[in-house]
Amino acid sequence: DTGVSQDPRHKITKRGQNVTFRCDPISEHNRLYWYRQTLGQGPEFLTYFQNEAQLEKSRLLSDRFSAERPKGSFSTLEIQRTEQGDSAMYLCASSWTAQETQYFGPGTRLLVL
Amino acid sequence: DAKTTQPPSMDCAEGRAANLPCNHSTISGNEYVYWYRQIHSQGPQYIIHGLKNNETNEMASLIITEDRKSSTLILPHATLRDTAVYYCIVRVRINNAGNMLTFGGGTRLMVKP
Repeated sequence: DTGVSQDPRHKITKRGQNVTFRCDPISEHNRLYWYRQTLGQGPEFLTYFQNEAQLEKSRLLSDRFSAERPKGSFSTLEIQRTEQGDSAMYLCASSWTAQETQYFGPGTRLLVL
Repeated sequence: DAKTTQPPSMDCAEGRAANLPCNHSTISGNEYVYWYRQIHSQGPQYIIHGLKNNETNEMASLIITEDRKSSTLILPHATLRDTAVYYCIVRVRINNAGNMLTFGGGTRLMVKP
């Protein structure tokens, strides 16, 4: 069990560009969560998946954000037309079931110039 | 989920026990107490969780008061590598619910030589 992995670890982009992040959860974990963390704050929930179904989205997830988990394994988070306010650490977590402990990946740090 | 209150910062001498308090006076009977920590620029790391009884694992001990309105995370022999932000979170563990984590400000623990 290698833990949750995220790719890339760092991304610098220019305002207006699209970016996509990938999360590979712990094998056979059927719950996958995305969180966002801005400097000096704790992580904030964005969305989660139960297998391939996206079951809840936070109001933080504007229409420029889209997340998928097509085969119930890895997930992608895409941000279209990035803005400077999107600069943050994007964290992915997974758990075996809804009840169980969430384990986090190392995060993807995004900087929008 | 119940709200938690933690001191914003604490210092601890290396080799000493670090005792991190958390108040959760509005906790419900079915809410668990979780502790995570976040070392600079990394994803949150799960430490321990409990419901009513005290818990211990290889990382820490969790002491929950009898009325469950507060808890203490104990790192028995703090090292410099334990310097991190420690988050106390209460959450329900219900199947088929979101069960996302709500992070507060946490306690910034500084372990000093």
